[in-house]
Amino acid sequence: RKEVEQDPGPFNVPEGATVAFNCTYSNSASQSFFWYRQDCRKEPKLLMSVYSSGNEDGRFTAQLNRASQYISLLIRDSKLSDSATYLCVVNMRGTNNNDMRFGAGTRLTVKP
Amino acid sequence: ETGVTQSPTHLIKTRGQQVTLRCSSQSGHNTVSWYQQALGQGPQFIFQYYREEENGRGNFPPRFSGLQFPNYSSELNVNALELDDSALYLCASSLGGSEQFFGPGTRLTVL
Repeated sequence: RKEVEQDPGPFNVPEGATVAFNCTYSNSASQSFFWYRQDCRKEPKLLMSVYSSGNEDGRFTAQLNRASQYISLLIRDSKLSDSATYLCVVNMRGTNNNDMRFGAGTRLTVKP
Repeated sequence: ETGVTQSPTHLIKTRGQQVTLRCSSQSGHNTVSWYQQALGQGPQFIFQYYREEENGRGNFPPRFSGLQFPNYSSELNVNALELDDSALYLCASSLGGSEQFFGPGTRLTVL
């Protein structure tokens, strides 16, 4: 089993659609979780951290299920500017973010 | 912009050569992490430096080594380059275990 596994994608959705990405991780001791966004030929940027209670930031909602070792990201009312690759990230060791493991990413294209 | 800079932007080397990549962290940050990103893949963790000491390492061979300086800038050294080392090398700076901010990367091509 891969350490961090994401939906293969790509996802092609119309503007205004709701889209959900899933991610599973292998290390049950992992403590911190994130979603990063990476635009084509750019560096990754933090989209949001993922907390046990779930968290929301505008149109974006992240959920964590520790029992199933599963993380999700929901994007509502998709915009053209949401087109990017979304990377699921799990810190494998404690909370010091000194062993961050990235998934391969899920590519999203939002079309007019 | 994140304030994290990397040099050079692009680099071409041949198999067996050695390369040094550089990273300047964001002001106030004391931690630098290095990642390798192959085409179509997510970044793979190489190692992290915290206050000039290695603070975690991924599944990379010893020919990948690093250094962090008193001003918290960092170098990644790769010896005996292989074709599979061709990738985008990213560094990320942070204040301890807080949010990591990535630099624009160095694209290394090994011929």
